Amino acid sequence: QLQMQESGPGLVKPSETLSLTCTVSGGSISGSTYYWGWIRQSPGKGLEWIGSFYYSGSTYYNPSLKSRVTISVDTSKNHFSLKLGSVTAADTAVYYCARSGFWSADVGIFDSWGQGTLVTVSS
Amino acid sequence: EVVLTQSPATLSLSPGERATLSCRASQSVSSYLAWYQQKPGQAPRLLIYDASNRATGVPARFSGSGSGTDFTLTISSLEPEDFAVYFCQHRSNWPVTFGQGTKLEIK
Repeated sequence: QLQMQESGPGLVKPSETLSLTCTVSGGSISGSTYYWGWIRQSPGKGLEWIGSFYYSGSTYYNPSLKSRVTISVDTSKNHFSLKLGSVTAADTAVYYCARSGFWSADVGIFDSWGQGTLVTVSS
Repeated sequence: EVVLTQSPATLSLSPGERATLSCRASQSVSSYLAWYQQKPGQAPRLLIYDASNRATGVPARFSGSGSGTDFTLTISSLEPEDFAVYFCQHRSNWPVTFGQGTKLEIK
């Protein structure tokens, strides 16, 4: 059964870069036709999609965050990462990694999620 | 981007009652709408995709309907474990967006 687990610092200072990793077990990022990505949830903005990628090509980012976001993958470790730069208090949220389908029949349907990790931006 | 508006914000019902939750899109999303359930401290769980298809393992008391801009999630007879927050989400294009949620609470 697929499992996804987020990890990374729970506290980040303003103006610094938030870095998180999602480790996937029970399935292969590179051996499957899925998009893998990040979604965050905050009291102020609710659920917000950050971005998704397919291991061998396309990556999509939310235009509202695109200038500050990078999602990358390490297929040898079967994990992918999120970097969000120049953070402010507004970036405080629970960050989830999530999988969605790749084909037109199921792209954008998030059928598997990590448990989430709280990141607080504060000095 | 598509804005999804859910109503009501809070719904107070008793076990055994029927729940009807609404989601309205700012523009047509065809049938590309999903519903998720979230309990405290947990990640959202996919319930319904493409407006009316139940995800694997979802009980038959959950059903979805609608197309275009107006969608409904119905829980035919509430069980104690159904009291949670429900979100809608479209996938008609990037960026996908979510509604702000409806909290279903015990009356």
